[in-house]
Amino acid sequence: ETGVTQSPTHLIKTRGQQVTLRCSSQSGHNTVSWYQQALGQGPQFIFQYYREEENGRGNFPPRFSGLQFPNYSSELNVNALELDDSALYLCASSGQINEQFFGPGTRLTVL
Amino acid sequence: SQQGEEDPQALSIQEGENATMNCSYKTSINNLQWYRQNSGRGLVHLILIRSNEREKHSGRLRVTLDTSKKSSSLLITASRAADTASYFCATDLNNNDMRFGAGTRLTVKP
Repeated sequence: ETGVTQSPTHLIKTRGQQVTLRCSSQSGHNTVSWYQQALGQGPQFIFQYYREEENGRGNFPPRFSGLQFPNYSSELNVNALELDDSALYLCASSGQINEQFFGPGTRLTVL
Repeated sequence: SQQGEEDPQALSIQEGENATMNCSYKTSINNLQWYRQNSGRGLVHLILIRSNEREKHSGRLRVTLDTSKKSSSLLITASRAADTASYFCATDLNNNDMRFGAGTRLTVKP
């Protein structure tokens, strides 16, 4: 157990809908990163938040957005869902050394 | 885009044998990390090797890094059935952008 929790564990949405995924970071960690992992692939970096500010972004469109709260928990929001958004969404928290501790993930299915 | 590429894509061995997985990457890195993932679950950090290190050990794991060839290897000695998982390398470009490969799926047969 890494101490990183994600909710919900599974989610089913339809095309065009919006979704919010949540992540609670490990105690003492001020950085949260979000990844999308399609079936059979490695995780793809979406973005990172450090002390409530976006601190880097991967190659994802603006309909992927996020927030980090004062307690360092974080949300990932995806608007206008597409079928290809179906994936496992992972968050990872890290402290001063960039060793990332991953949560169990949220499996999103878009129908 | 993915930075690291693991090789092989899949590896099947008998319990007790050693497993070697390789990772190649494209650009300069701060460090390289190896992770393990059991079927569809979160990733577990195994080992981090910095760009100025050449070899690192942790229990039955041995990681090497060759920055001139932009490659790394993960050796698991005396494998166990419980080692069955997917293994990923991830390169840390600038402390806020980790790039993962597609992974090696390791199966250890009892």
